[in-house]
Amino acid sequence: AQSVAQPEDQVNVAEGNPLTVKCTYSVSGNPYLFWYVQYPNRGLQFLLKYITGDNLVKGSYGFEAEFNKSQTSFHLKKPSALVSDSALYFCAVRAYTGGFKTIFGAGTRLFVKA
Amino acid sequence: DVKVTQSSRYLVKRTGEKVFLECVQDMDHENMFWYRQDPGLGLRLIYFSYDVKMKEKGDIPEGYSVSREKKERFSLILESASTNQTSMYLCASSPDSRNTEAFFGQGTRLTVV
Repeated sequence: AQSVAQPEDQVNVAEGNPLTVKCTYSVSGNPYLFWYVQYPNRGLQFLLKYITGDNLVKGSYGFEAEFNKSQTSFHLKKPSALVSDSALYFCAVRAYTGGFKTIFGAGTRLFVKA
Repeated sequence: DVKVTQSSRYLVKRTGEKVFLECVQDMDHENMFWYRQDPGLGLRLIYFSYDVKMKEKGDIPEGYSVSREKKERFSLILESASTNQTSMYLCASSPDSRNTEAFFGQGTRLTVV
């Protein structure tokens, strides 16, 4: 079965420090991995995705993610956190079951303190 | 820009009422989805549709039904609302391919009293 795990409910980081939000996955075949962000009382917004190629993927708002096949991980990173990055982050995988659907992790809340 | 529009941001309904949540997308996407979001549980798939008049159960379909009469519109129906259906409901659409992201509406926060 395809699944995504986000081991941390919450991540706290000081503004200006690097941040990492962790994600591990379990898929059959090649993984198609995504990160989304949700701001309060809003829908999810797409940040970045890994399909194939370079293991370091760059996305919106200065975020990047590193795909590691041997560790089945896809951690989200940013070199210097901003207070405005505080939000709920979801890791996801695309799965095929007669059609393509997205399976989400439970989410990680990021707090960036000024 | 892709737009996924949910008909209401906030709804308050009484127990036992029949509730309709509407979702419209303007990008001619084949796939549409309804998720429910609860704290600590992430997004759980209620129903999805790969084509007009087609529907598939997701992980938590009990108490819900859906309708997709036109490609751009996907409706979620709570046949008899209950307090445990108080939640944030998110609609999404996507093209029918593995390497494309989903596009989300702004969400409907439903409270059943």
